[in-house]
Amino acid sequence: KQEVTQIPAALSVPEGENLVLNCSFTDSAIYNLQWFRQDPGKGLTSLLLIQSSQREQTSGRLNASLDKSSGRSTLYIAASQPGDSATYLCAVMNTGFQKLVFGTGTRLLVSP
Amino acid sequence: EPEVTQTPSHQVTQMGQEVILRCVPISNHLYFYWYRQILGQKVEFLVSFYNNEISEKSEIFDDQFSVERPDGSNFTLKIRSTKLEDSAMYFCASNRASNTEAFFGQGTRLTVV
Repeated sequence: KQEVTQIPAALSVPEGENLVLNCSFTDSAIYNLQWFRQDPGKGLTSLLLIQSSQREQTSGRLNASLDKSSGRSTLYIAASQPGDSATYLCAVMNTGFQKLVFGTGTRLLVSP
Repeated sequence: EPEVTQTPSHQVTQMGQEVILRCVPISNHLYFYWYRQILGQKVEFLVSFYNNEISEKSEIFDDQFSVERPDGSNFTLKIRSTKLEDSAMYFCASNRASNTEAFFGQGTRLTVV
């Protein structure tokens, strides 16, 4: 059974810092991994999707990497801004399944 | 920009009542999903739907739950007899193919009293 863990559970940084969020998963037989952002009481906004054959994806100040064999992904946020404050979720889809398995999330606070 | 739309945003219902949560997936998407998130917990998968039938469901998705695509645009989740523990945020999602980016709606907060 796939288990997804995110570390740290919470992170507080001053504006302008570069930061890394971590995601690990126990079963490396994945189709893809997707990073989401969730604002309090709101829905999930897709940030990046990495297919199992890819090593990284970039979108603006965000860069996500994937090391399938070690069961790890990182989300790098450059030059953080207060508007980046949210909970960041990673989710994996295993080969042969049609569902995302989510981690518990990292709650990020970027202070001005 | 196309988006997944869910209604209502918040629903309060009495225990034992039936509720229907509604979703309009993105128009050219073929795969549809329901997930839920109990306050303070992980987002959990409920069911996936493709080609007018359930393709996968979780242990949570028991006989009290059903899904339907009544027309070409709507996708609904029905809970027949709600329990207190069904209180959660319910998210609808869709994607074009099963291994492509999944897009989520803003959610329906269901409160069972």
